[in-house]
Amino acid sequence: DAKTTQPPSMDCAEGRAANLPCNHSTISGNEYVYWYRQIHSQGPQYIIHGLKNNETNEMASLIITEDRKSSTLILPHATLRDTAVYYCIVRVAREYGNKLVFGAGTILRVKS
Amino acid sequence: DSGVTQTPKHLITATGQRVTLRCSPRSGDLSVYWYQQSLDQGLQFLIQYYNGEERAKGNILERFSAQQFPDLHSELNLSSLELGDSALYFCASSVGGEIGTGELFFGEGSRLTVL
Repeated sequence: DAKTTQPPSMDCAEGRAANLPCNHSTISGNEYVYWYRQIHSQGPQYIIHGLKNNETNEMASLIITEDRKSSTLILPHATLRDTAVYYCIVRVAREYGNKLVFGAGTILRVKS
Repeated sequence: DSGVTQTPKHLITATGQRVTLRCSPRSGDLSVYWYQQSLDQGLQFLIQYYNGEERAKGNILERFSAQQFPDLHSELNLSSLELGDSALYFCASSVGGEIGTGELFFGEGSRLTVL
């Protein structure tokens, strides 16, 4: 699976959009970009994933650059409850023997 | 609520002892994953089962073992416990196999404290 690079931490004002970047310059054509988050000591929570098109769901939007070498997770109106560690993971979708490998992630602090 | 159930939520035991952590996956999910998260480390993948068979192995110690039963629940057995085994242990499940699209759903974890 391709390696990802994320900033160690970011701050965001409550109510503003939080934009979390992720670099994955060695991504392969069949690898998806997944985002998970972990709120303090809770189980990681799936947010969104995509292959090459931008994706949106009720939690967030995922913007993937045309060359697929980087992506941005957007939380449109961050709240204090969005304070968490956000993980960007790249891997093929097929699951046989293909676990999720978590890096250090980005600590997002939403401040009032 | 992810639909993945882990028991017990908290467990305190002594060094040298053996414990069993249990995981019930979401209804219909065939894959079960186990992860360990220590205070000073990130989420470490331990092992994956799909429909009763081991599919992938990570940094799982020989003192640890797991299995997935016919009803698809899974157990993680930790033996000869050491202080360093104190951690949060997460179970995750997914649809699994070739039809899965990769989303894993995590339980709330079992916090193990070894004294």
